[in-house]
Amino acid sequence: EDKVVQSPLSLVVHEGDTVTLNCSYEVTNFRSLLWYKQEKKAPTFLFMLTSSGIEKKSGRLSSILDKKELFSILNITATQTGDSAVYLCAIPQGGSEKLVFGKGTKLTVNP
Amino acid sequence: NAGVTQTPKFQVLKTGQSMTLQCAQDMNHEYMSWYRQDPGMGLRLIHYSVGAGITDQGEVPNGYNVSRSTTEDFPLRLLSAAPSQTSVYFCASSYSGGTNEKLFFGSGTQLSVL
Repeated sequence: EDKVVQSPLSLVVHEGDTVTLNCSYEVTNFRSLLWYKQEKKAPTFLFMLTSSGIEKKSGRLSSILDKKELFSILNITATQTGDSAVYLCAIPQGGSEKLVFGKGTKLTVNP
Repeated sequence: NAGVTQTPKFQVLKTGQSMTLQCAQDMNHEYMSWYRQDPGMGLRLIHYSVGAGITDQGEVPNGYNVSRSTTEDFPLRLLSAAPSQTSVYFCASSYSGGTNEKLFFGSGTQLSVL
C-alpha cells in the first residue's frame, strides 16, 4: 500500500531559525512527490519533485528528493511568522493522478 | 480566473439530513477529486473522477455519492449525514495524464453534523 510519512508532526521555532521537514514514502511506480503549504484554508502548491538530487528553490524554501532512500526534505531558512502553517507532502498513488497525503507537519514560528 | 469554486463555505446539518456540496472549476481540468480533512488524519480521498461520466472511489467513500456530468462540475452528495462526517471538505482538480499531478484546491467547506 502506498503511503507517506511526515516528521515531525509538530515543530515550534523562533523567527530566524532554519527548519528541515521530512517526508518518507512507499509507492509503486513512482512519478513525483509534491509539497503543499496549508495556512487557514486550502493547501497551496510549493514544489513538485521528480528527479533525485536536484534542488528546487523558491526564496527561503527549498526541497530535494532522494529516490534511492525514498524520502524528501523541505528546508526553510530564516523563518518568519508567516511561515507558520501545516506543510503537506503527497505522492501520486500507484502511478495514477490520485494523490496520497501525509498527515502533515505543523510549523509554528514564534516572534 | 476563478479556479476551483466550492459552495457552501459552512454548513450545519442534523443527523439523517442529506445535502450536496458543490464544486466547479474553470480550468478545463479532466481530473477532479474530493478530500476530507480531520485533525491528525491529514487529507483523505473520498471520490475522484478522471473525466466526464467517469467516477471512482477513494480511501473513504462510504456515505458519499458523486457524479460527473460535465467537465466543470463535480458535486459531492451526503446521503444521510452522520456525526462522523463532521469535517472540512476540499474539492481539487488537475490536468490529467503525464506527470502533471499538481492539484488546485477549492477553499473548503466546513461541515458540522449534529
